[in-house]
Amino acid sequence: EVQLLESGGGLAQPGGSLRLSCAASGFTFSDFAMIWVRQAPGKGLEWVSAISGTSSHTYHADSVKGRFTISRDNSRSTLYLQMDSLRVEDTAIYYCAQQIRGQWLTPGVCWGQGALVTVSS
Amino acid sequence: QSALTQPASVSGSPGQSITISCTGTSSDVGAYNYVSWYQQYPGRAPKLMIYAVNNRPSGLSDRFSGSKSGNTASLTISGLQAEDEADYYCSSYTGGSRALVFGGGTKLTVL
Repeated sequence: EVQLLESGGGLAQPGGSLRLSCAASGFTFSDFAMIWVRQAPGKGLEWVSAISGTSSHTYHADSVKGRFTISRDNSRSTLYLQMDSLRVEDTAIYYCAQQIRGQWLTPGVCWGQGALVTVSS
Repeated sequence: QSALTQPASVSGSPGQSITISCTGTSSDVGAYNYVSWYQQYPGRAPKLMIYAVNNRPSGLSDRFSGSKSGNTASLTISGLQAEDEADYYCSSYTGGSRALVFGGGTKLTVL
C-alpha cells in the first residue's frame, strides 16, 4: 500500500525554524517527484514546493522562496521541508504528495495526512 | 502566482448535474493541459479527481468529468449524490513562474 506519513509539525516562534519530514512507503520513492502543499486554517490549498526524483531540480512558491528548502533522501525514502524565518502567515497544515507522472508539479492520488505548523509568539 | 478563479459555492439536488468553473490566464490554464481537480472533505487530505484536464484516476466514478475551453477549465459532476458534498479545488501549472497555482475552492452543497 502506498503511504506518506508527515512528521515534525508543531509550534514555532516568528523568525524561528522547523523541519518537516515525509516518510514514504509502498512505492519506489526515487521514481517520483514530490510536492509540498499547505492549507491555512479555514483557507484554500497553496502549492509550496516540489523536487524531482534525483533532487536535480527544485521549485518553490514566491511566498516561501529564500526561506523554505525542499530536499529528499532517496536512501531513506524521505522528503523534507526545512522552514526558516517563519512568519505567522506560514501557519497551516502541510501535506506532502506524490507528483503525477508527466504532470508538472501536480499532486497525484497519494497524499499524507498532514502536519500542523503553528507560528505564534 | 495569482490564484485561479472559482465560484465560492454551487449547489444542486440529488440526480442533477453541476459544473464548477476555474478561470485562469493564457499563462496557466490556457497554455497547458496540466489542469487538475481535487475533492476535499473537512479535516481530510485532498483527493485527486481529474488530471490533465479530463483524465480520471483509476477506479474513480465516471460521474466526474473535466474539460477546458480557452482560459477556463470546468469540472462536471453528473448524477449528484449526497456524498459529493465537499470542497473542490482546481489547479494548473504556470510556466512563467514554474509553479503550480490553485483556485480558491468551491463549496458544493447537495440540497
